[in-house]
Amino acid sequence: QVQLQESGPGLVKPSGTLSLTCGVSGDSISSRYWWNWLRQPPGKGLEWIAEIHHSGSTGYNPSLKSRVTISADKSQNQFSLDLSSLTAADTAVYYCARGGGYDVLTGYSFDSWGQGTLVTVSS
Amino acid sequence: EIVLTQSPGTLSLSPGERATLSCRSSQNGNTRYLAWYQQKPGQAPRLLIYAASSRATGIPDRFSGSGSGTDFTLTISRLEPEDFAVYYCQQYGNSPPMYTFGQGTKLEIK
Repeated sequence: QVQLQESGPGLVKPSGTLSLTCGVSGDSISSRYWWNWLRQPPGKGLEWIAEIHHSGSTGYNPSLKSRVTISADKSQNQFSLDLSSLTAADTAVYYCARGGGYDVLTGYSFDSWGQGTLVTVSS
Repeated sequence: EIVLTQSPGTLSLSPGERATLSCRSSQNGNTRYLAWYQQKPGQAPRLLIYAASSRATGIPDRFSGSGSGTDFTLTISRLEPEDFAVYYCQQYGNSPPMYTFGQGTKLEIK
């Protein structure tokens, strides 16, 4: 049973950079899956942010691409998100999730999620 | 970029009734790219259906997905008390390559 756990600051300042890490257990980030970040502003819907594959391939939401970097640390079996130039609109619960692709049974969906971490952007 | 429109926004039903939730895409896509999730307050979303009609591991058979092209449906055959939640559809698109979610349907107890 794969488990994901987000970690990072709960409060960050406007114009600053948010850094989050997702620790993975029960699976290797070097497996065939893609590893993702998503977010959900309070009371609103879900937004996909970015994905990374062990091959080094990445994908980004075009609306956030200029401010986002996703990276992976295979030795620690974790992956990370950096989001810069923060504003209040970036306040959200941030989730990490395991995603698939053409060679995964569950295809292009997110089959395992972390519990989420609330990040508030405020001075 | 894909836009997913879910209807209705809110659905009020009683336990034992049948629920039909709709998801319409702005682009005709591969059914492998369509998924449904359930989210309860304070919890992460849970994958229900992938590839438009395949149930994820551990999902009861009262949940079913159907559709193709631009129109997809999630059906809950007989509502249990634990089914009242928010449901999201999600689609992967190739141009640009990204995932998009619908705005959600809230299924509430009547």
